[in-house]
Amino acid sequence: GQQVMQIPQYQHVQEGEDFTTYCNSSTTLSNIQWYKQRPGGHPVFLIQLVKSGEVKKQKRLTFQFGEAKKNSSLHITATQTTDVGTYFCAGPLLHGQNFVFGPGTRLSVLP
Amino acid sequence: GAVVSQHPSRVICKSGTSVKIECRSLDFQATTMFWYRQFPKQSLMLMATSNEGSKATYEQGVEKDKFLINHASLTLSTLTVTSAHPEDSSFYICSAEELSTDTQYFGPGTRLTVL
Repeated sequence: GQQVMQIPQYQHVQEGEDFTTYCNSSTTLSNIQWYKQRPGGHPVFLIQLVKSGEVKKQKRLTFQFGEAKKNSSLHITATQTTDVGTYFCAGPLLHGQNFVFGPGTRLSVLP
Repeated sequence: GAVVSQHPSRVICKSGTSVKIECRSLDFQATTMFWYRQFPKQSLMLMATSNEGSKATYEQGVEKDKFLINHASLTLSTLTVTSAHPEDSSFYICSAEELSTDTQYFGPGTRLTVL
């Protein structure tokens, strides 16, 4: 069946280090969305990428959508303690009704 | 791994009727579940936070009398769309939080179409 994977599952970094999480879908996605969940909170929308090969930046965050629209990455430059949380990728399948989520990457930032 | 199911996956109803959507955590207990709504080509919008044994907390702009949430057990939350209208047609997704691991799991979603 359709599956979305994220790696790594967990990441511990020292404050100031960079961080990248990768999202891979077994099926082509119409678009990719990224969400962040802070500890104790609910997932909050960060960004949506639609076009093949699209790259978007939000301050220290860089998001990329693969050429085949099956994978995506989120890169954080010079992490801060406020970046702590779980990052989910998600998106609607290109042909179908389902909206699929990755399992999330949990980021810890040590001060 | 943990699984969250939603039922039904798709429902078509007539305007004025009520529709109940179930969200179940299949192999873990969830004291907190979240209900989201997604409009076409847009992101998920949090509607409410469902807490087991207590009243749900609704986000601003979400009518609590329109979208009734019941979290009767640690594995089940229901969202009832009352007196549905075509503008309620949307994709509804729930997520459940596994307390022991502090991990969020999402359901597959329910597509509601109101004629």
